[in-house]
Amino acid sequence: DSVLTQSPATLSLSPGERATLFCRASQSVGGYLAWYQQKPGQSPRLLIYDASIRATGTPARFRGSGSGTDFTLTISSLEPEDFAIYYCQHRSNWPLFTFGPGTRVDLK
Amino acid sequence: QVQLVESGGGVVQPGKSLRLSCVVSGFSFSHYAMQWVRQAPGKGLEWVALVSSNGDEKYYADSVKGRFSVSRDNSENTLVLQMDSLRPEDTAVYYCARRNSDYFDYWGQGTQVTVTS
Repeated sequence: DSVLTQSPATLSLSPGERATLFCRASQSVGGYLAWYQQKPGQSPRLLIYDASIRATGTPARFRGSGSGTDFTLTISSLEPEDFAIYYCQHRSNWPLFTFGPGTRVDLK
Repeated sequence: QVQLVESGGGVVQPGKSLRLSCVVSGFSFSHYAMQWVRQAPGKGLEWVALVSSNGDEKYYADSVKGRFSVSRDNSENTLVLQMDSLRPEDTAVYYCARRNSDYFDYWGQGTQVTVTS
């Protein structure tokens, strides 16, 4: 099974700054990776799937990239509502699913 | 619009059982596989169980295999998670989510399960 690791664990930034989050798989997952955003007290929300496709309603400032074992989620210019925890997810060994441990983006 | 509403959570003693339900609306429930995902306090997301669109195929995380059972009633647009032999480490918010391809595109608001003596 492919294990997902995320870095950094916490990212402290200011509104308007660029955020770069990383997700690494222990073995190749091809292009089958998703990113979710979770705000305090809320359920997760799908942001990006198939590594780079924005889900319905995801703003254009969110960009996913990567393939194989290394993936990146970039938020080009942080808005106040973007401060949250971000998880990557993969279908590790069909039909099982794996989530990364998450990256917290908080206000500097 | 798409809605998933969980219920059935609560406080229960170790070894006891609990039955969670998720009622959905706004999409053709019978066309989608559904899953349960949980989140322990202050922790990340853990996939728990999946049931295929027609209910014939069911899969579980190792941590709950043999204790939890997932089912669905497509006539009632309802997903169920029967949780037996509960342990303190099962304490979490339980979310139902719709599977779309290999991802989870709609989530419920979650229901809290607390296992404590």
